[in-house]
Amino acid sequence: DAGITQSPRHKVTETGTPVTLRCHQTENHRYMYWYRQDPGHGLRLIHYSYGVKDTDKGEVSDGYSVSRSKTEDFLLTLESATSSQTSVYFCAIRIGTGEHEQYFGPGTRLTVT
Amino acid sequence: GNSVTQMEGPVTLSEEAFLTINCTYTATGYPSLFWYVQYPGEGLQLLLKATKADDKGSNKGFEATYRKETTSFHLEKGSVQVSDSAVYFCALPVSGSARQLTFGSGTQLTVLP
Repeated sequence: DAGITQSPRHKVTETGTPVTLRCHQTENHRYMYWYRQDPGHGLRLIHYSYGVKDTDKGEVSDGYSVSRSKTEDFLLTLESATSSQTSVYFCAIRIGTGEHEQYFGPGTRLTVT
Repeated sequence: GNSVTQMEGPVTLSEEAFLTINCTYTATGYPSLFWYVQYPGEGLQLLLKATKADDKGSNKGFEATYRKETTSFHLEKGSVQVSDSAVYFCALPVSGSARQLTFGSGTQLTVLP
């Protein structure tokens, strides 16, 4: 158990509304990631962070922003949700700098109507 | 850049059958290779890994050997159980960025009693 929680676990929202998803870790790991998972597309990286206030874009960053003001929290914001952002969102952490593997949270299922 | 091609599913087997899920990779050098498993409604879990050529990763009866000659990392299990029903992902680090992983598209395995 890598001590990762995500909130909320499920959310339904309307097109055009802002949405923020939270990822929380208990072990102060430096690297955190946000992915989305969609049928036919597998897992795609949205944004990642390599420290407090240090973030970078991933493969599918358009329409998303992130913030990391504390080591333990990594927030993903959809400024104006669209139906194409209906997906399952996973947060992950990377433990240490010598290893590459990542550990995933339980996911947030977001539906934009 | 580094990439992975994974056997398409879905795969349906009877309990106690032999499992192979194919994964081939394209990479610069010899990066670590990973298999992840995702059970229904959960996040991805690291199943096994191999950090250099000819290494064999193993866990929970699953095995995969890092073969540089064939650029493959096939997942095998001698006798599957109903509880092995899940989606399996092959992954490796993105070239030039040990911070990121790239994932295969996933293979859905269903084991029937």
